Order: sequence, then C-alpha cells, then structure tokens
Amino acid sequence: EPEVTQTPSHQVTQMGQEVILRCVPISNHLYFYWYRQILGQKVEFLVSFYNNEISEKSEIFDDQFSVERPDGSNFTLKIRSTKLEDSAMYFCASRGESPGDTQYFGPGTRLTVL
Amino acid sequence: AQTVTQSQPEMSVQEAETVTLSCTYDTSESDYYLFWYKQPPSRQMILVIRQEAYKQQNATENRFSVNFQKAAKSFSLKISDSQLGDAAMYFCAYRSPRGSGDKLTFGTGTRLAVRP
Repeated sequence: EPEVTQTPSHQVTQMGQEVILRCVPISNHLYFYWYRQILGQKVEFLVSFYNNEISEKSEIFDDQFSVERPDGSNFTLKIRSTKLEDSAMYFCASRGESPGDTQYFGPGTRLTVL
Repeated sequence: AQTVTQSQPEMSVQEAETVTLSCTYDTSESDYYLFWYKQPPSRQMILVIRQEAYKQQNATENRFSVNFQKAAKSFSLKISDSQLGDAAMYFCAYRSPRGSGDKLTFGTGTRLAVRP
C-alpha cells in the first residue's frame, strides 16, 4: 500500500541553524501539507501546497519557514534559523485530486532544537 | 474559523468492552468532512474513520463506528470489543472541502487506555 515517507525520523540541531525536513508524498497525490505537533499538544496546520505554490499558510508559518517541491517526488520544509520553540514533531501529509480525498500522514520527523 | 473540541482528555476501557469518545465542532458550513485519527506511542497519525457531512448514514470501519449528529455538531467515535492495541491518543479533525487550501483542524485529543 502506498505511503507517505519522511526523513530523517529524528533531527537534532543547534539554535540558529537551518534544517530541511524531507517528505515523499504518495506518488499520484497532488496536494501536500505540513503540520506540527509540540509535545503533549494538538496537531497544528502549517502550510498547504498545490500546483507548485502555497495554497494556505497558518500564522505559525512565518518568514523563517519555506516549502519546496524540488523535483517530482520530494516535498521539503525548511526552517532557516531554528528556535527552541520549533522543537516539535513535524508531519507531512498528502491527498489525491478529489476534494473528498483523505489526507494521509507520514510517520513524522521529530525535531529537537538545543 | 472552525473549532474542534474534545472534552475528554483521558478515557479508560476494559479490554473487550465498548467505549465512546466525544467530539464537537463549530462551523457555519453545510458541507465538510470529519475524521478520527489514532496516534499510538510511535506518534504516527493513522486514519481510523471518516464521515462526509452530506451523508446521513454513520460511517463504520470494523470495530469502529461514529455517531454523527449534524444539527448538534457532534461526531463521536465508538470502539467496540476494545483491544490492547487500541490504546493511543485519538484526535478528531474537521476539514472544509473548499478550494485547494483545505486544512485539517484538530481537537486536543483524548488519550485512551485499555485495561487488560
């Protein structure tokens, strides 16, 4: 069964460093998302991406964040200068073309900022 | 903006028994989608069940079923014959079908413990 994959599973970085989180969505999906979950809290929407551009972004998704689909398979989230409060689980999700299609989540990348 | 409320931070059920997790939401839209996701200790988000608002029939997936009350804006999850593997965090989520910028709005979750 097709699945969303994410790498790395765990990333440790120093405050102020740049990180890139990678996702490979399900191959025939066209809509891509990033969510984050701070430990013990609910899952929060960051950004949605369609047709090579951002469709919607939340207040969390400020200038420190960017997304890119550099090739036909990868979808990346970049944090330019990490802060302690960026420590969280980051989930990538994708869905198919139909508005009713379900978003399928990857296993997540746990980001720890020291 | 849509909001999703899960009023039960924690629930406990005896193995083989039935448990119901509550979820309410607030929206002004008439057409939308509702989901229950399970998050085990691995923290992966796993889809349990989904419901389209235009469908009157409650969704069912094996031991999992929902009670969707559109007028009351309620979407509860019933787990029958609970198993130890059902122990997890359960999140209720709402999605609007509008446009391509649809996002999931999650509740705060209910942690389910299953007693052997």
